[in-house]
Amino acid sequence: AQTVTQSQPEMSVQEAETVTLSCTYDTSENNYYLFWYKQPPSRQMILVIRQEAYKQQNATENRFSVNFQKAAKSFSLKISDSQLGDTAMYFCAFMKLSNDYKLSFGAGTTVTVRA
Amino acid sequence: DTAVSQTPKYLVTQMGNDKSIKCEQNLGHDTMYWYKQDSKKFLKIMFSYNNKELIINETVPNRFSPKSPDKAHLNLHINSLELGDSAVYFCASSQVGTSVGLDTDTQYFGPGTRLTVL
Repeated sequence: AQTVTQSQPEMSVQEAETVTLSCTYDTSENNYYLFWYKQPPSRQMILVIRQEAYKQQNATENRFSVNFQKAAKSFSLKISDSQLGDTAMYFCAFMKLSNDYKLSFGAGTTVTVRA
Repeated sequence: DTAVSQTPKYLVTQMGNDKSIKCEQNLGHDTMYWYKQDSKKFLKIMFSYNNKELIINETVPNRFSPKSPDKAHLNLHINSLELGDSAVYFCASSQVGTSVGLDTDTQYFGPGTRLTVL
């Protein structure tokens, strides 16, 4: 079974600053995807970014970027130029490419952006 | 035009009742999922259907029964509701693929159904 660990329950960042969320995972698989999802107070689960394990290049989506270290099984999310709308809970998730394709989630990190 | 929709968004009911949550997706995906988010916000897979066939059935009580009438719908029926069933239930969908694609295998979530059992 895959386990996903997010060691930071809460983080706070000043508007326009940068914050980095950590995520580590444990797997014996070689083919998998990693995701970050955002859950604002509205409770909607919103995809932030995804990374394919076979790709060495780190994924980026506008102000969001990841640092994917496959050997270290680490997948951190960097939010640059933080905005008030980034306030949310962020979940790291793992998916092995197999016949079930289920997401295994970390416990989440609550990010608060201060004005 | 909502991609993944769930009804109802809120459900308050008494212990022992039977209730259903409906999910529909208009993304043309072939796989749908149910996840449960507990009071500590932890998310866990419950079921998954691919082309109307059950492919994941995690250790969920028999009181929970998913039904997929077609690829675009996945409903969740819960019998004899218990206090511990109170949670947010999320439906999700994805297009499972063996070929590499920008969107293949990415799961898109519905708005969630908050179930409160009194």
